[in-house]
Amino acid sequence: QKEVEQNSGPLSVPEGAIASLNCTYSDRGSQSFFWYRQYSGKSPELIMFIYSNGDKEDGRFTAQLNKASQYVSLLIRDSQPSDSATYLCAVNVAAGNKLTFGGGTRVLVKP
Amino acid sequence: DAGVTQSPTHLIKTRGQHVTLRCSPISGHKSVSWYQQVLGQGPQFIFQYYEKEERGRGNFPDRFSARQFPNYSSELNVNALLLGDSALYLCASSPIATDTQYFGPGTRLTVL
Repeated sequence: QKEVEQNSGPLSVPEGAIASLNCTYSDRGSQSFFWYRQYSGKSPELIMFIYSNGDKEDGRFTAQLNKASQYVSLLIRDSQPSDSATYLCAVNVAAGNKLTFGGGTRVLVKP
Repeated sequence: DAGVTQSPTHLIKTRGQHVTLRCSPISGHKSVSWYQQVLGQGPQFIFQYYEKEERGRGNFPDRFSARQFPNYSSELNVNALLLGDSALYLCASSPIATDTQYFGPGTRLTVL
C-alpha cells in the first residue's frame, strides 16, 4: 500500500464547475497536509495547507481533512481553464523532516 | 522577495559522471530540502538540512550527498550517474525545519 494515494485522472471538469480531488494516507501519525499545483514542465506551487480536521477555505479553493478516515480533499470552485494542471497531495508525518507525495491527479478544465 | 533559486536549469551528463546541483533558499529561510521527481510521479524526498545539519534522509543510495552552507544555500551531489537518475531535482525551503515548504524551479537532469 502506498503511503499517499491519489487517483491519477485525468479528471475532466467543465469550466465553471466544481472539481473534487481526493487523497488518502496510511500513517495515522500524519500531522500536516498540503496541496500543490504543478503545471507541465514546472515545479510544484503551494495552494493550501491544513492541520486540523474540518474545512479550510482560500478563495476558490477549499481543503477538507478527516483524520479518522485518513483522507484529505481539495475542492476547486468555479473551475477555470488555467486550473488545468496536476494536483499533488503531500503529507508530513513527523514534524519537519520530509513531505511524502501522492502521484498526483491531473485535472483538465474544458471551456 | 525572490523565491527559491536553483542552478543550473538543465543539465546533460553521461553515465558514470558526477553532478552538483545548487539551491538558494528564500531570504530568511534556514531549512532546505531536496526532492527527486521522475516523470509521471510525485516528488521523492532525498534530504533535509536545517542550520547546516542533516535532519532527514530519504531512501536513496550513498551516491547522493548534500550539504548546507553558512548562508543557508545548499548543494546536492550525485556520483556515478545512472540512467535512472534522470529526473527533475527540486529544492524546497522553509523558515524552520517544521514549516511549510516552497519549491524552486528545479533542475532537469538528463543522463545519457
